[in-house]
Amino acid sequence: ELKVEQNPLFLSMQEGKNYTIYCNYSTTSDRLYWYRQDPGKSLESLFVLLSNGAVKQEGRLMASLDTKARLSTLHITAAVHDLSATYFCAVASFNAGGTSYGKLTFGQGTILTVHP
Amino acid sequence: SQTIHQWPATLVQPVGSPLSLECTVEGTSNPNLYWYRQAAGRGLQLLFYSVGIGQISSEVPQNLSASRPQDRQFILSSKKLLLSDSGFYLCACASSTVMNTEAFFGQGTRLTVV
Repeated sequence: ELKVEQNPLFLSMQEGKNYTIYCNYSTTSDRLYWYRQDPGKSLESLFVLLSNGAVKQEGRLMASLDTKARLSTLHITAAVHDLSATYFCAVASFNAGGTSYGKLTFGQGTILTVHP
Repeated sequence: SQTIHQWPATLVQPVGSPLSLECTVEGTSNPNLYWYRQAAGRGLQLLFYSVGIGQISSEVPQNLSASRPQDRQFILSSKKLLLSDSGFYLCACASSTVMNTEAFFGQGTRLTVV
């Protein structure tokens, strides 16, 4: 059974600081996704990481994937209040032939609070 | 691009009452469809997924069921709700043919069982 673990689960950051959220998963996969959720809202897709060594950046967020270590990171640079949200990583698992459904297993989420 | 419609947005139901949540998708054909539940604002639990009409797989035993009567329609149901069924229900859609795409989520239904 695929397990996805994020840490930290709670992150309180000061504006302007840098920090990293980690996502570890238990079985082989080269499909990893990061989502953002604002309070009371649905999930918004942030990044799609599809291969070992993949790196994606959008604004102050940068995500990377190391499939050998089964680890993805979401790095936050010079945090601002607007980044306050819950961040989820999700790992896709497919059928044996790799041609059918992509089932997403989510981490527990990291609640990020950025304060002045 | 695909659009996911989910309704209602909020629902308050008494224990023992039936439930029907509907999700429809536009802008794609033969998608993979999913129902997730999020309790207490934390992680998402996959409840059901479907790779085609009438094909439903259940991830966890519970008093909920799902059906896919049409290609782009996914319904979550219960005959008798329990208090523990309260939560935020999210329908998601992913391409069945394009492997490098993420799942897109509907706006969710917040269910409170009282």
